Amino acid sequence: QKEVEQNSGPLSVPEGAIASLNCTYSDRGSQSFFWYRQYSGKSPELIMFIYSNGDKEDGRFTAQLNKASQYVSLLIRDSQPSDSATYLCAGYAGGTSYGKLTFGQGTILTVHP
Amino acid sequence: DGGITQSPKYLFRKEGQNVTLSCEQNLNHDAMYWYRQDPGQGLRLIYYSQIVNDFQKGDIAEGYSVSREKKESFPLTVTSAQKNPTAFYLCASSARTGTEQYFGPGTRLTVT
Repeated sequence: QKEVEQNSGPLSVPEGAIASLNCTYSDRGSQSFFWYRQYSGKSPELIMFIYSNGDKEDGRFTAQLNKASQYVSLLIRDSQPSDSATYLCAGYAGGTSYGKLTFGQGTILTVHP
Repeated sequence: DGGITQSPKYLFRKEGQNVTLSCEQNLNHDAMYWYRQDPGQGLRLIYYSQIVNDFQKGDIAEGYSVSREKKESFPLTVTSAQKNPTAFYLCASSARTGTEQYFGPGTRLTVT
């Protein structure tokens, strides 16, 4: 089982809709989680991080963390064509592997006009 | 202007040659990281350093070497022992271990 797994894509939503991206993790020791956006040919850009259970909102983005279910999600409200990118979920390992950030394989999001 | 710089943006080498990728940050971050990304894949950790003069192997360290002699710099050498070195190499840094990482623009290495 992969340590960080993202829901299979690609995901396509119409402009103005809510895009929902999901991620599960296997390491119960993981404490902090991150969402990155990566445009084709570019490096990843941090868009959200979350350390505590619950929701964290920043503009059109909401990150949700449920440690009991080992589940992290990212909601993008009022999706725009410029949101079309690959979204990477990542979490820090716990225990002896602390310091290692493990990435999911990414979910490709397309927002069509 | 604070940030992470990587050079060069594109690098071409012949098989059997060692090559060193540069990564510099002026964010005063303690921790630095090297990742490799292959087409359509996620990021895989090569090496990381939590503090100057210390570094640890990541998940795919074979065929790579690093040094961390200065806080600002974390160069990566891709040796001839790396069997499939063609990839997109990304350097990142974070204020300290366990906090958010910020990425440089990356170096695309092609070995023929």
